[in-house]
Amino acid sequence: DAEITQSPRHKITETGRQVTLACHQTWNHNNMFWYRQDLGHGLRLIHYSYGVHDTNKGEVSDGYSVSRSNTEDLPLTLESAASSQTSVYFCASSDNQVSYNEQFFGPGTRLTVL
Amino acid sequence: RKEVEQDPGPFNVPEGATVAFNCTYSNSASQSFFWYRQDCRKEPKLLMSVYSSGNEDGRFTAQLNRASQYISLLIRDSKLSDSATYLCVPDTGRRALTFGSGTRLQVQP
Repeated sequence: DAEITQSPRHKITETGRQVTLACHQTWNHNNMFWYRQDLGHGLRLIHYSYGVHDTNKGEVSDGYSVSRSNTEDLPLTLESAASSQTSVYFCASSDNQVSYNEQFFGPGTRLTVL
Repeated sequence: RKEVEQDPGPFNVPEGATVAFNCTYSNSASQSFFWYRQDCRKEPKLLMSVYSSGNEDGRFTAQLNRASQYISLLIRDSKLSDSATYLCVPDTGRRALTFGSGTRLQVQP
């Protein structure tokens, strides 16, 4: 079955380190998204991509970067991790052809920055 | 004004009760809306889509009030398994969605 996966599921890192969170989907969806979720803020969009080599900034993109070299993957990189980036990170994808409003989410990565 | 606003709750209701919560939106151009459900520490999943004035799916009814710019979600005969956070999402014509912060529902035995 097609799916969307994230790795690692849990990560503890230190301030200043570079961290990369992986997101992989097998639906062949054009659209992929990264969100962070914190108590009291709901889901906030970090970066998104509408296709290979396309990337766009969301509302909370500072300190994060993404690249889209193929359809299946959209890795999220924290250039220099900060304690404020401790959060749960969700990756999602959607299909232009069917309904772009239905986003399919991965299981999330819980990141702790010490 | 935020693009989407929801009462965070929690709404605590007994099993079998009917509960409703609203979501207000600021973009009057939004034509359709979506409710996502998120269980504790899990990923959100699409619950309902609303393309006109409303939609009904079993115990769940979503209604849209364009004049007042809010959408409501009504749950009848609440089950323990309905306990979750419900996220409102207006369609703004962009593929990147804006999620409300959610309303937490706790159904009690």
